[in-house]
Amino acid sequence: DADVTQTPRNRITKTGKRIMLECSQTKGHDRMYWYRQDPGLGLRLIYYSFDVKDINKGEISDGYSVSRQAQAKFSLSLESAIPNQTALYFCATSEWTGDGYTFGSGTRLTVV
Amino acid sequence: DQQVKQNSPSLSVQEGRISILNCDYTNSMFDYFLWYKKYPAEGPTFLISISSIKDKNEDGRFTVFLNKSAKHLSLHIVPSQPGDSAVYFCAAPFGNEKLTFGTGTRLTIIP
Repeated sequence: DADVTQTPRNRITKTGKRIMLECSQTKGHDRMYWYRQDPGLGLRLIYYSFDVKDINKGEISDGYSVSRQAQAKFSLSLESAIPNQTALYFCATSEWTGDGYTFGSGTRLTVV
Repeated sequence: DQQVKQNSPSLSVQEGRISILNCDYTNSMFDYFLWYKKYPAEGPTFLISISSIKDKNEDGRFTVFLNKSAKHLSLHIVPSQPGDSAVYFCAAPFGNEKLTFGTGTRLTIIP
């Protein structure tokens, strides 16, 4: 099993729909992150969490919300999806920042 | 404001030759840098890192060089192999909390 599992792998949804992307990890790490990748823009941080009770906004949190259900689970929600949220979404975990991240395989989200 | 910049979106290199990927940063407080490699349909994977107390770190075919005065780092791959074709991201910890990534360079190794 992968250390960081993201579901679904691919999703097409309509504008205005609510959608949840899920992430679970078996690394035992406290820190979890959500990034999105767009062509020419690299990886941008949406939200991050250092433990179950600690949730922080990243650089592009507008239009997104998160839930840290347990140490191992960190979900990203789009409350009302819009086309410019079409992107690749990655979840990652780390023990501490300088140790590097372990990423999931990503969720390709298309909003039509 | 992009604090970590990769100004070359793409690079093509002949197999067996040296690949050099560049990264510039603006924040002089950064003291640790990482390189990630990403294949299509996969998440990025950690490749190599360097602390600001060093100017070079080597791991097999991969070497990262850091020039603090120029706020510049580079990743050298020697010799380049077809399996090195991927997107490479440089990254730096920001405020010891999270990584800020560059925009990535797509490396293509030509057989």
